Amino acid sequence: QVQLVQSGAEVKKPGSSVKVSCKASGGTFSSYTISWVRQAPGQGLEWMGRIIPILGIANYAQKFQGRVTITADKSTSTAYMELSSLRSEDTAVYYCARDRGPYSGSHDDAFDIWGQGTMVTVSS
Amino acid sequence: SYVLTQPPSVSVAPGKTARITCGGNNIGSKSVHWYQQKPGQAPVLVIYYDSDRPSGIPERFSGSNSGNTATLTISRVEAGDEADYYCQVWDSSSDLYVFGTGTKVTVL
Repeated sequence: QVQLVQSGAEVKKPGSSVKVSCKASGGTFSSYTISWVRQAPGQGLEWMGRIIPILGIANYAQKFQGRVTITADKSTSTAYMELSSLRSEDTAVYYCARDRGPYSGSHDDAFDIWGQGTMVTVSS
Repeated sequence: SYVLTQPPSVSVAPGKTARITCGGNNIGSKSVHWYQQKPGQAPVLVIYYDSDRPSGIPERFSGSNSGNTATLTISRVEAGDEADYYCQVWDSSSDLYVFGTGTKVTVL
């Protein structure tokens, strides 16, 4: 049974950066797209970007272009999401989520495995 | 950008049927996925590709998608179904994953 285990909660100052990790255990890592989704307190889900580890290709939502970097380390089956120039509006729970099936050239698959979430608080 | 609209809330008595809609322009041409999220927990996939159920999800959960509306139906509702539900699609024109606004299901 594949699990995604994320790093712990973070408290950051405005203007700084945060890097959240997402380690896959119990299954194949490289063939599956990993996305990052965030949820501000009391709000809905928002997709930030994804990475296809087997290709090393990352794509980002336009809203986060220039501020987010998603990487993957195949040797440790770990994906990372780094968000820079943090502001109070970035306070949220950040989730990693894996596509249900291996990458096949399309991106319309569902997210069937989610990490437990990482709370990032941005406060002065 | 592509927008998915859901009713903010749906209330249903135990044993009855809950229907949650997800409206979007020609959503019937896209693949729709549904997630259940309980307070303090990560989302759980309950329906994928419009109407398929992951293993472990009860048959009481079903989905449909046509025209401008996709629907998640929960039959014989139980207290444990109380949660927020989100629809989601991939908009190929913008390469953006879009989530619906979310619907809070309350079991009376």
